[in-house]
Amino acid sequence: DIVLTQSPDSLAVSLGERATISCKSSQSVSYTSNIRNYLAWYQQKPGQPPKLLIYWASTRESGVPDRFSGSGSGTDFTLTINSLQAEDVAVYYCQQYYTTPLTFGGGTKVEIK
Amino acid sequence: EVQLVESGGGLVQPGGSLRLSCAASGFTFSDAWMGWVRQAPGKGLEWVGRIKSKSAGATTDYAALVKGRFTISRDDSKTTLFLQMNSLKIEDTAVYYCATSGSYSDYWGQGTLVTVSS
Repeated sequence: DIVLTQSPDSLAVSLGERATISCKSSQSVSYTSNIRNYLAWYQQKPGQPPKLLIYWASTRESGVPDRFSGSGSGTDFTLTINSLQAEDVAVYYCQQYYTTPLTFGGGTKVEIK
Repeated sequence: EVQLVESGGGLVQPGGSLRLSCAASGFTFSDAWMGWVRQAPGKGLEWVGRIKSKSAGATTDYAALVKGRFTISRDDSKTTLFLQMNSLKIEDTAVYYCATSGSYSDYWGQGTLVTVSS
């Protein structure tokens, strides 16, 4: 199974500052045939289901604010939240859909400093 | 508007069975690959399994922890997804989410809580 390791487990960022979350995969989640990275990012607020933010590692889902961005390829990926807002307080998960079993990272809790 | 509404959760004893349903609307259900993801209390997300569309063979894939105990099925005529859970264990206690699941999951239900306890 592909293991996704997120870091840090939690971080506190001041309003308006940048939050950066890392997701490292135990093996590449990229197909050379189409040069696509099979990685998504989700946001989950308390008591709510996850919400898709980013797919194909860097494509923002419709309606997601442009302060959220994804980058990376192969085994190393990053979710960046520029200018953190109060409503961004949540747990963020990466997920690989390169192969089954689909797997999630352990999550990163983002709080306001 | 896409809607996924889970039902069927509840309290069950270890070794028991439960069948979850997910009623879908707002999209062409028969074309969609669908899946289940669970979340134990205070824990992270865990993929349970998925079923492909009928045109893709309606085949299923499962996480190792549930394979042989859980069965995912679908009724395209009723736009409903099912999760049959047998031989339930205490560690199966979680909120179970239905989601579109061809690859990434762009739509999720609100979840239904399954508690396995004596």
